Amino acid sequence: EVLLVESGGGLVNPGGSLRLSCVASGFTFTSYTVNWVRQSPGRGLEWVSSVKSSGSDTYYADSVKGRFTISRDNGKNSIYLQMNSLMADDTALYYCTRARIAVAGTGEFDSWGRGTLVTVSS
Amino acid sequence: EVVLTQSPATLSFSPGERATLSCRASQSVNNYLGWYQQKPGQAPRLIIYDTFNRATGIPARFSGSGSGTDFILTISSLEPEDFAVYYCQQRRYWPITFGPGTRLEIK
Repeated sequence: EVLLVESGGGLVNPGGSLRLSCVASGFTFTSYTVNWVRQSPGRGLEWVSSVKSSGSDTYYADSVKGRFTISRDNGKNSIYLQMNSLMADDTALYYCTRARIAVAGTGEFDSWGRGTLVTVSS
Repeated sequence: EVVLTQSPATLSFSPGERATLSCRASQSVNNYLGWYQQKPGQAPRLIIYDTFNRATGIPARFSGSGSGTDFILTISSLEPEDFAVYYCQQRRYWPITFGPGTRLEIK
């Protein structure tokens, strides 16, 4: 069974930083692109960032580019999202997801974690 | 950025009825279009990928169609557990984008 477990969320002041983690199990982690998707309370879904299997190819939404950094540690089956210069608009539930197609590193998101909540407020 | 439009925002049906949900893209995304179902308090679940294909474990009453810019999700006979919010998503271009969602509610 594919399992993705996020952690690291919490309450942070505007301008602050937070680091999210996602630990994966149940599949060959090194073969898949892994992603962060967020959902603000009562709102829709927003793709945030993706990292391909090697870790060298990364992609970001314009809304987080320059502030967030995605990375992965294939030895620990984990990905991370370093979030700096946080703003109120970053308040959301952050999901870790797996892209469907192995090796090619693309595809829709066929597995989702339960999410970790980030609240940016003073 | 590819903008996905889903309208209307809410659809009302009775169990047993046929539901069609639409998704329109601001430019062609070929067939790289997926659909997700989300119930309250749960993560989204992939139900259709690459326009037509049902994800693992998805019942046959769900089907997808379309191409280019216009896509349809059809639920042939609604079950009580199908009432949820449905999102479309394109992966043809970065950034990956989602539609705003259609809420399927019980009439």
